[in-house]
Amino acid sequence: GESVGLHLPTLSVQEGDNSIINCAYSNSASDYFIWYKQESGKGPQFIIDIRSNMDKRQGQRVTVLLNKTVKHLSLQIAATQPGDSAVYFCAENNYGQNFVFGPGTRLSVLP
Amino acid sequence: KAGVTQTPRYLIKTRGQQVTLSCSPISGHRSVSWYQQTPGQGLQFLFEYFSETQRNKGNFPGRFSGRQFSNSRSEMNVSTLELGDSALYLCASSLMAGGMNTEAFFGQGTRLTVV
Repeated sequence: GESVGLHLPTLSVQEGDNSIINCAYSNSASDYFIWYKQESGKGPQFIIDIRSNMDKRQGQRVTVLLNKTVKHLSLQIAATQPGDSAVYFCAENNYGQNFVFGPGTRLSVLP
Repeated sequence: KAGVTQTPRYLIKTRGQQVTLSCSPISGHRSVSWYQQTPGQGLQFLFEYFSETQRNKGNFPGRFSGRQFSNSRSEMNVSTLELGDSALYLCASSLMAGGMNTEAFFGQGTRLTVV
């Protein structure tokens, strides 16, 4: 399967600013993508998903952008709050195969 | 509606022992996937069970095995434990096989420490 990275990137943002978390996925055949949030001591929690026939999807304070040309996914969080501090994972799914997770990005919200 | 339940939450085992972890999926979900999470390797797929059949398997040695019961509850077993098996083991349930265009809901995980 696709490999995941060994290093966890960290993003620090000021409270109230917008955050952009990026993810490069590996399989051009992947057709379904999910962003998960994982807080310390908890399992990953669904944030938002997007299918490959879309390039943008919005939720409450979050937007996911999909660029299939360069196999890139991003998660935008508006007006970042302290409760948004967590590790964020993107996951890709190739039509019913298992989800493959990215290495994760740690988001730290500064007061 | 109850979420995904994993038991136990924490476990300490000695090298060479075996361990069994349990996962109860969300009611009505028939797919259960298992993942190993470590700081160095991230979330790695172990296997998926759907309707009591192993549907997919990741790149883990045969010491890692699992099964699923008729009520969709799943267990995973690790035999001859090694120090490197220390990790957070997560299970995820989905309505459809392979999480096919449906989200996977995760449990809290079982933290296994091998000493």
